Amino acid sequence: KAGVTQTPRYLIKTRGQQVTLSCSPISGHRSVSWYQQTPGQGLQFLFEYFSETQRNKGNFPGRFSGRQFSNSRSEMNVSTLELGDSALYLCASSLTGQGTDTQYFGPGTRLTVL
Amino acid sequence: GNSVTQMEGPVTLSEEAFLTINCTYTATGYPSLFWYVQYPGEGLQLLLKATKADDKGSNKGFEATYRKETTSFHLEKGSVQVSDSAVYFCALRSTSGTYKYIFGTGTRLKVLA
Repeated sequence: KAGVTQTPRYLIKTRGQQVTLSCSPISGHRSVSWYQQTPGQGLQFLFEYFSETQRNKGNFPGRFSGRQFSNSRSEMNVSTLELGDSALYLCASSLTGQGTDTQYFGPGTRLTVL
Repeated sequence: GNSVTQMEGPVTLSEEAFLTINCTYTATGYPSLFWYVQYPGEGLQLLLKATKADDKGSNKGFEATYRKETTSFHLEKGSVQVSDSAVYFCALRSTSGTYKYIFGTGTRLKVLA
C-alpha cells in the first residue's frame, strides 16, 4: 500500500507570495492533519480535515488555510508569505482520526521564503 | 491541557551502547502513546505505540512500556547502531475529545562507530 505522498518536496518563494501544498493520504484514510516543523518551535499542529470538513485547528493565523477533497486528498495554502513561514510542512493521515487510530506521515514539503 | 516532556538532546552514544530516552506526559483519561523517528531530510516514521496501561510497544529492537502510575513512556534499546542516529519524538493522542496529537520537542540521537 502506498504511503502518504506530498508535493512538491521543495519550494522556494518570496515574501508576500502565496503557496499551495498538496497531500495524498494512504488509500482508505479519511483524516488528514497538517503540521509545521521548525528548529525553534518543533512540531506544531496546523489543522485536521475529515470528510472534507475541518475538524480541529491549531493556533495559526488566518493566512494558513486548507481544504480536503472528496477523495480525501488535501491542500494547504499559505497567503502573504513571511520569512518566518520557512519550515518543513508535514502531512499525516489516519483512518478516522479517532479512538486508537495511528497517524502516518508523509516526507514533508520544505518551504523556503526569501 | 495535555503535554509531553522528553529529555533534551543531543544524546551521543557509542555503537552497541544501551539507549534510554525519557518521556513523561500529562493527560486526562487514557491517551495512546507513540514514538516516532525522523531521519535527516525525511518525515516522521512511526516506531512503536501503546494504547493502554502496561502495554509494551516494540519494533526494530526498540521498546517502550506505558506506565500510567509514573505517566511515562521511556524509549529503550539494548544495543544501538550508527543507523539509529536520528531525532526521536514522543507523542500522545487523547482517545476522546479532540483526538489531537501532542508531540514532544524531539531528542536527537547520534551514534558513533
